Amino acid sequence: KQEVTQIPAALSVPEGENLVLNCSFTDSAIYNLQWFRQDPGKGLTSLLLIQSSQREQTSGRLNASLDKSSGRSTLYIAASQPGDSATYLCAVDTGFQKLVFGTGTRLLVSP
Amino acid sequence: ETGVTQSPTHLIKTRGQQVTLRCSSQSGHNTVSWYQQALGQGPQFIFQYYREEENGRGNFPPRFSGLQFPNYSSELNVNALELDDSALYLCASSLRTSGGARADTQYFGPGTRLTVL
Repeated sequence: KQEVTQIPAALSVPEGENLVLNCSFTDSAIYNLQWFRQDPGKGLTSLLLIQSSQREQTSGRLNASLDKSSGRSTLYIAASQPGDSATYLCAVDTGFQKLVFGTGTRLLVSP
Repeated sequence: ETGVTQSPTHLIKTRGQQVTLRCSSQSGHNTVSWYQQALGQGPQFIFQYYREEENGRGNFPPRFSGLQFPNYSSELNVNALELDDSALYLCASSLRTSGGARADTQYFGPGTRLTVL
């Protein structure tokens, strides 16, 4: 059974810091891995999707890496801003878009 | 291109009642997945519909059921509501080609917040 773990559960940083969020999964048989952002009480916004054959994806200040063999992914956020404050979720696609999610990292960026 | 929409936004029910949640897929998408997100947890997969047929189910009891219509919109029905059913219910749509396990990115709706008293 696929399990996804995210560390840390919560993170508080001052504006401008670079930070790394971690995601690990137990079964390397995945089609892709996605990072999502969720604002309080809201739906999910897809940030980055890494196919199983890829090592990383970049979008603006965000960079996500994938090491399928070790079951790990990281989300790197450069020069953090207060608007980045949200919960970040990673999810692995076990096939046919059936996603298994982690419990998320709650990020607070203070001015 | 319209996004994924869900209705209602919020809903309050009492234990034992039945509820229907609705989801309109993004234009051109043929696959809808439903997820339950309890407070402080990640979303959990309930089931998926592809071309009007159930295509996979998570660890949820039969009182959770669904439908997908010819226009690819979808409903989630929950019978005999329990207090633990209180959660944010999310639907996501995507386009899957025939027979393929891969698909485009899923797009999530804003969710329906269900409170069971």
